[in-house]
Amino acid sequence: AAGVIQSPRHLIKEKRETATLKCYPIPRHDTVYWYQQGPGQDPQFLISFYEKMQSDKGSIPDRFSAQQFSDYHSELNMSSLELGDSALYFCASSSQASLQETQYFGPGTRLLVL
Amino acid sequence: DAKTTQPPSMDCAEGRAANLPCNHSTISGNEYVYWYRQIHSQGPQYIIHGLKNNETNEMASLIITEDRKSSTLILPHATLRDTAVYYCIVRAPTTDSWGKLQFGAGTQVVVTP
Repeated sequence: AAGVIQSPRHLIKEKRETATLKCYPIPRHDTVYWYQQGPGQDPQFLISFYEKMQSDKGSIPDRFSAQQFSDYHSELNMSSLELGDSALYFCASSSQASLQETQYFGPGTRLLVL
Repeated sequence: DAKTTQPPSMDCAEGRAANLPCNHSTISGNEYVYWYRQIHSQGPQYIIHGLKNNETNEMASLIITEDRKSSTLILPHATLRDTAVYYCIVRAPTTDSWGKLQFGAGTQVVVTP
């Protein structure tokens, strides 16, 4: 079965640079969630989109923005990167029409800011 | 506020059943219990979820107490590949959607030969 695709899988950036993470949901899924997992921490919700509209927002820095496109893929844009942004970034997708809307996660993007 | 409480760690012998407890004493009537696991640095993997009836799928069984204040995830025959952090999450639908998953401190399960 098709899974959530994230790209790139690994990314190294310098401080103050920008980064764009991409998420391709499971086919026919209409909702995308972004989570951040710092070293030794549990995943924390950042932001979500349903039918291309932002549906919820967590502890996402103002330096970050995201959007969902007409093909339902989503991009997380991160600017003025800081050392503390080094983390795993997971995307999850779901279908609002499915029973209890189970979320399925991608493999993540590991971002390292130097 | 933490909605669930899990033991920080558990060891389990390969081939034996692993019983992972979760306390959710403040669970609301419309909240489901979800279990995910995360194998080292991989994306969290959905295992199972339930409302009040016991549930079973190809991966595990979920036993929810009658008062719904606690539950147990059962891995019937643990293998080394089951070594992971297991998260118990309670979740309910909002007005428009089911919304985010709130991960707490899960249980680190180590399966030993």
